[in-house]
Amino acid sequence: DTGVSQDPRHKITKRGQNVTFRCDPISEHNRLYWYRQTLGQGPEFLTYFQNEAQLEKSRLLSDRFSAERPKGSFSTLEIQRTEQGDSAMYLCASSFGSGTSVGDTQYFGPGTRLTVL
Amino acid sequence: AQSVTQLDSQVPVFEEAPVELRCNYSSSVSVYLFWYVQYPNQGLQLLLKYLSGSTLVKGINGFEAEFNKSQTSFHLRKPSVHISDTAEYFCAVARSGGSYIPTFGRGTSLIVHP
Repeated sequence: DTGVSQDPRHKITKRGQNVTFRCDPISEHNRLYWYRQTLGQGPEFLTYFQNEAQLEKSRLLSDRFSAERPKGSFSTLEIQRTEQGDSAMYLCASSFGSGTSVGDTQYFGPGTRLTVL
Repeated sequence: AQSVTQLDSQVPVFEEAPVELRCNYSSSVSVYLFWYVQYPNQGLQLLLKYLSGSTLVKGINGFEAEFNKSQTSFHLRKPSVHISDTAEYFCAVARSGGSYIPTFGRGTSLIVHP
């Protein structure tokens, strides 16, 4: 299977701890997105990379959140000093797009479910 | 900014019956529109998208949607549903000419009964 993969699938942590999630996109995809989804809501955009450059960040992405995509391949999302409000499903998606591409299709991973106790 | 309203949080329907899931959007600029499906414990999967051209868009699994600019709607339809269509469905809108980052609605849970 060459789809988007995320690791871990589940993470339980105590408030105040740091957590890191990994996303491996489809190999030829140059764009990578992170979203957060809480119960009963649709995904909310967090941040977006084109290759290794982080091009957009949502206001939802507080200072405790940081994302990297060091070589334009996999990406990590770190949450420092977790709070109970961080409990959510964190989704990663990837796509292939160029400057002239229109509405490129995003392929989503299965998500990482974070529970902060 | 754009926004999406999915008018029904839950739609129960019997197998082989037709179904319509409603979606309205708000935007001051031209948009692209999407429908995604999320099966339990799986990632979101694109059903169909409207970028331009014909307002009737056909997608996978027998779904179709119609873009209605005057009513700012993009309702999803299927003439005959199966048990396997039970899932969460999300409508999304993205600003055309931008980075194509979609804004999602809250989702509609389609429950197909035998």
